[in-house]
Amino acid sequence: SQTIHQWPATLVQPVGSPLSLECTVEGTSNPNLYWYRQAAGRGLQLLFYSVGIGQISSEVPQNLSASRPQDRQFILSSKKLLLSDSGFYLCAWSRTGVTGELFFGEGSRLTVL
Amino acid sequence: DQQVKQNSPSLSVQEGRISILNCDYTNSMFDYFLWYKKYPAEGPTFLISISSIKDKNEDGRFTVFLNKSAKHLSLHIVPSQPGDSAVYFCASLPRGNTPLVFGKGTRLSVIA
Repeated sequence: SQTIHQWPATLVQPVGSPLSLECTVEGTSNPNLYWYRQAAGRGLQLLFYSVGIGQISSEVPQNLSASRPQDRQFILSSKKLLLSDSGFYLCAWSRTGVTGELFFGEGSRLTVL
Repeated sequence: DQQVKQNSPSLSVQEGRISILNCDYTNSMFDYFLWYKKYPAEGPTFLISISSIKDKNEDGRFTVFLNKSAKHLSLHIVPSQPGDSAVYFCASLPRGNTPLVFGKGTRLSVIA
């Protein structure tokens, strides 16, 4: 069966510090991978998605970046965090070319102080 | 520009009664619609879906209705239970291998 894990689950960081959130998927190959953010009152905002290694599409211009160094690994990064980066970050995967059902990780709560 | 709209941020329903969550979309090219349920501090989980060629899909207590001419879908939960209290997200899938588009969610509270 397929599983998705992301970490860390909780992170408190000062403004201007770097960020690295990691996500891995097991039990499938060549998944589509996604990073979403849930901020208060804004629902689920798609940040990045990837259809293959090294292929990243950015949906929202911001100071975050994503990388996919391996088929089932997706990393969300920032060089300098802003207060507005606080939120609940969700990694997700889907099967390529199927009905688009997303399978989400447990989420990472980021608080920037 | 919001392509998927959930205009009610919250809904309160008595246990045992029907919960109706609504969703409107603007893009007639959306091909597939999904509902997700999310508890606090957890990732959303898939609940039920419907293809654009259908107008109803039922799974136990959950039924999704699609009205293509009105670009409207709704999720019915009957009977509602306290464990149904969560945020419900409507999502739409455009044609092609492009990501889901989510609404902002509706927080459902089922009161015992």
